[in-house]
Amino acid sequence: DIQMTQSPSSLSASVGDRVTITCRASQGISNYLAWFQQKPGKAPKSLIYAASSLQGGVPSKFFGSGSGTDFTLTISSLQPEDFATYYCQQYYSFPLTFGGGTKLEIK
Amino acid sequence: EVQLVESGGGLVQPGRSLRLSCTAAGFTFGDYAMSWFRQAPGKGLEWVGFIRTKDYGGTTEYAASVKGRFSISRDDSKSIAYLQVNSLKTEDTAVYYCARDIRVAGTSDYYYYMDVWGKGTTVTVSS
Repeated sequence: DIQMTQSPSSLSASVGDRVTITCRASQGISNYLAWFQQKPGKAPKSLIYAASSLQGGVPSKFFGSGSGTDFTLTISSLQPEDFATYYCQQYYSFPLTFGGGTKLEIK
Repeated sequence: EVQLVESGGGLVQPGRSLRLSCTAAGFTFGDYAMSWFRQAPGKGLEWVGFIRTKDYGGTTEYAASVKGRFSISRDDSKSIAYLQVNSLKTEDTAVYYCARDIRVAGTSDYYYYMDVWGKGTTVTVSS
């Protein structure tokens, strides 16, 4: 199984800040990586697929990059609605696996 | 509007079974693979399993933790994906989500990423 390691596990930031979350795969996954946002008590929301492509309706403040084993999600100009937990997921091979999540909190 | 609605969750005793449903609307259900995920209380997301479209054999994949106990099926005429959960254990307690899969062709295989998720249905396994 491919292990996905996200860092940091939690992050405090202020409104207006830019933050970066890192995701590392235990083996190369090309660009078969997705990012999701989840708010408490809500379903996940798909943000990015193919490492850097935005899902429909997702604002360009979300920026994904990377290929192979190392990936990042950058969120610029944080707004109150961006404070949530973010997960990366590889879909290169079954079983699909997620990172442990990054909880983004307001400072 | 594309929509997925899960149902069928509830409180069940260990060892019993449930059938969860994922009812789709707003798109041609038979054209899409579907996945199931779960999230235990206070934990992260876990992939449960996946079913391909009939055009691609309607075959399934499962996480090792549920293989042999869970099974996924689909009824394209009703636009429903099912997750049959048998021999339930307390550690199966979770919110169960379904998601629509988008198929992309790679150099030697197909790959699937999720775009739309349902709101989830809660399964609690307890005596």
